[in-house]
Amino acid sequence: DQQVKQNSPSLSVQEGRISILNCDYTNSMFDYFLWYKKYPAEGPTFLISISSIKDKNEDGRFTVFLNKSAKHLSLHIVPSQPGDSAVYFCAARTRDDKIIFGKGTRLHILP
Amino acid sequence: NAGVTQTPKFQVLKTGQSMTLQCAQDMNHEYMSWYRQDPGMGLRLIHYSVGAGITDQGEVPNGYNVSRSTTEDFPLRLLSAAPSQTSVYFCASRRQGRDSPLHFGNGTRLTVT
Repeated sequence: DQQVKQNSPSLSVQEGRISILNCDYTNSMFDYFLWYKKYPAEGPTFLISISSIKDKNEDGRFTVFLNKSAKHLSLHIVPSQPGDSAVYFCAARTRDDKIIFGKGTRLHILP
Repeated sequence: NAGVTQTPKFQVLKTGQSMTLQCAQDMNHEYMSWYRQDPGMGLRLIHYSVGAGITDQGEVPNGYNVSRSTTEDFPLRLLSAAPSQTSVYFCASRRQGRDSPLHFGNGTRLTVT
């Protein structure tokens, strides 16, 4: 049973526009959420995180929104750039301190 | 600074062979973990450790062993490789603080024939 769900396997966005990546989770006890970016043949790199006590966290072009009642979080990238083309993973921390990942969304930034 | 180092980068095994994937970190992180990445499956947690001498199972632990004798090293052992273990393996570490992100190595691509 998948606890962290990324239902869009891929997303294409025009350069300069906003990219919105979505993530849903099933466990209301998750207390910390993270987004990672992954290029081919490299390890995932940390992008941004949010604690469950907040509903928004911003870092430059990246903003993460958390809606606890809907068990939903989203990553906004504004403006989208060619280097943003990658696979994005949503992750959540469990009560026993494990970090569980979704299946990822491949983002294509179109010129 | 090296961060999380994984060796080897690539490995081909025959079914039934054993091997150890190495992982070392130089950030003095208490927490270390192993994930495997398969197409369409995302990153799945195999085993993790919250400190030297302590290990625990993740989502997909079967067929893998781990040990944590030092803070720096967290090797992953395949005792009898199976084709289903063909995957890309990532090691990651983080500080033990509650809001601390994982830092990943660059992965080991394993093929079992």
